[in-house]
Amino acid sequence: QKEVEQDPGPLSVPEGAIVSLNCTYSNSAFQYFMWYRQYSRKGPELLMYTYSSGNKEDGRFTAQVDKSSKYISLFIRDSQPSDSATYLCASVSSGSARQLTFGSGTQLTVLP
Amino acid sequence: DADVTQTPRNRITKTGKRIMLECSQTKGHDRMYWYRQDPGLGLRLIYYSFDVKDINKGEISDGYSVSRQAQAKFSLSLESAIPNQTALYFCATSDPILAGNPNEQFFGPGTRLTVL
Repeated sequence: QKEVEQDPGPLSVPEGAIVSLNCTYSNSAFQYFMWYRQYSRKGPELLMYTYSSGNKEDGRFTAQVDKSSKYISLFIRDSQPSDSATYLCASVSSGSARQLTFGSGTQLTVLP
Repeated sequence: DADVTQTPRNRITKTGKRIMLECSQTKGHDRMYWYRQDPGLGLRLIYYSFDVKDINKGEISDGYSVSRQAQAKFSLSLESAIPNQTALYFCATSDPILAGNPNEQFFGPGTRLTVL
């Protein structure tokens, strides 16, 4: 079993829809939870991160972590065609190395 | 100019050939990483380096080697390429870990490698 499992998609939604992207993790040592966005033919870029449990909002994006159920979510409100990309969740251990463990990614297409 | 560059961007080679992928960065970061990305498997860590004299194996280092020529340069070699090394390869960099820093990594544009 992978330490971070991600709903594989692909996901296709109409413009303006609310999008929910989800991951689960198994390692209780993970402390930081990140979402990377990867456009086609580009490297991943950090979208946002949270520490421990709770919500974090940044514009149309909300990251949510529930450590009791080991569940990570990213919500996109009022989705736009420019949001079309692959979204990768990643979990980070609290040790000094702070290695990232990535999910497999969910490909999202927002249709105009 | 891009902060993290990778060369080549695309490469097709044959089984058994030695291949080197190069990464350069202008971000001034000490830490550098090599990942491969495969459909359905996400990003997997091959090697990482915390400074010029520090090289560490990642999750899937077999069949690969690396060289950290300088703070800004980190190369990945496939000594004898095989078809299941066909993948998208990414180099990444990060700052030293500070309190409250989740170790944000900055990725290059990737190298698409095909081994026939």
